[in-house]
Amino acid sequence: DTEVTQTPKHLVMGMTNKKSLKCEQHMGHRAMYWYKQKAKKPPELMFVYSYEKLSINESVPSRFSPECPNSSLLNLHLHALQPEDSALYLCASSQVAGGPSYEQYFGPGTRLTVT
Amino acid sequence: EDKVVQSPLSLVVHEGDTVTLNCSYEVTNFRSLLWYKQEKKAPTFLFMLTSSGIEKKSGRLSSILDKKELFSILNITATQTGDSAIYLCAVELVGTPLVFGKGTRLSVIA
Repeated sequence: DTEVTQTPKHLVMGMTNKKSLKCEQHMGHRAMYWYKQKAKKPPELMFVYSYEKLSINESVPSRFSPECPNSSLLNLHLHALQPEDSALYLCASSQVAGGPSYEQYFGPGTRLTVT
Repeated sequence: EDKVVQSPLSLVVHEGDTVTLNCSYEVTNFRSLLWYKQEKKAPTFLFMLTSSGIEKKSGRLSSILDKKELFSILNITATQTGDSAIYLCAVELVGTPLVFGKGTRLSVIA
């Protein structure tokens, strides 16, 4: 099973709403990632979790709050977002982060629209 | 600053043509180079390259890395309309996740 799943597939939220994006993998990977991708641009790294601990935060605004409840799950909590935060949010996982090279597997993404 | 540059940015070919996509990089602490295909949603993993001169093949796709000249190519032979996508090159650095290039948008027309 080389699948990373993400829910929901689409999300429309207002600027005052609180919502969460979910990501799950059952490959035994110990590194999980959140990326943001705007139209016609490559994915931009937001956060990296390694062994359920936040290891990299790429200066992401605090209105995005990641959480890794266990080794299979990764959440991204959203609060008070801005319209410019509308994008495709991709989750990925790999066997480890910063260790031997292992490819990252991406989930299908959540397309977020902030109104 | 670590940099990954892909060329061309876009390409239109006819079915049956062979295409070569390029990826050059200037990074410190290189670990591996990865190719992804992105259609409407998430990138799909194609290849990971760590050693120079060893070609990786999967069907009509192949890729090779030159660590001396700091580039990689992705070849697609006998292209089909289903190959139309954005092809992303990414470099993995020691202790750092992927640095992506801007991608090559390939359009294959019948």
